[in-house]
Amino acid sequence: GESVGLHLPTLSVQEGDNSIINCAYSNSASDYFIWYKQESGKGPQFIIDIRSNMDKRQGQRVTVLLNKTVKHLSLQIAATQPGDSAVYFCAENRGTSGTYKYIFGTGTRLKVLA
Amino acid sequence: EADIYQTPRYLVIGTGKKITLECSQTMGHDKMYWYQQDPGMELHLIHYSYGVNSTEKGDLSSESTVSRIRTEHFPLTLESARPSHTSQYLCASSDPGLGTEAFFGQGTRLTVV
Repeated sequence: GESVGLHLPTLSVQEGDNSIINCAYSNSASDYFIWYKQESGKGPQFIIDIRSNMDKRQGQRVTVLLNKTVKHLSLQIAATQPGDSAVYFCAENRGTSGTYKYIFGTGTRLKVLA
Repeated sequence: EADIYQTPRYLVIGTGKKITLECSQTMGHDKMYWYQQDPGMELHLIHYSYGVNSTEKGDLSSESTVSRIRTEHFPLTLESARPSHTSQYLCASSDPGLGTEAFFGQGTRLTVV
């Protein structure tokens, strides 16, 4: 069946470096793609989203890139900080007519090394 | 800070017991969701609701049931808990008119012994 999957389960980066978290998806009909951050013992928190008709969107220290040709999504975090350590999930909206049925991928654990 | 609450945070219960996990939001969101998440794993959508008296099953088959009698309340019930139900259950809500963000509760970690 269709799925949203992540390439790497764990990513370790040095504090101050940039982080890139990747995600593959297979449903070309999804309207939106969303990145969430989940810290230990908490529910996921929204980071940034991107519409399917865009290829790049920037937020505060984060950039999401969407490559529809290869069905690939990435989250770039600039100047990674210890507070960025968490599990990051990509999600896609698979609902029809804007029904916002969110399907999540496996997740990547980001470890920031001091 | 999202106004969505789940109770209890932790629950240890014996096999065969009936349990209800509570989820309430004060944001007036029409859409609500239940996800199941094992440690270090992805979130699986098990139920969702588009509004009062509207509930549908998600992509992951679940023996649980839900109800949506009031906009703010979306409880999940297991009639007879089994060890295979041990997991974390996350509730979320969203308002597409305000964007794609889904707001999540803290989760209920259920252990069935």
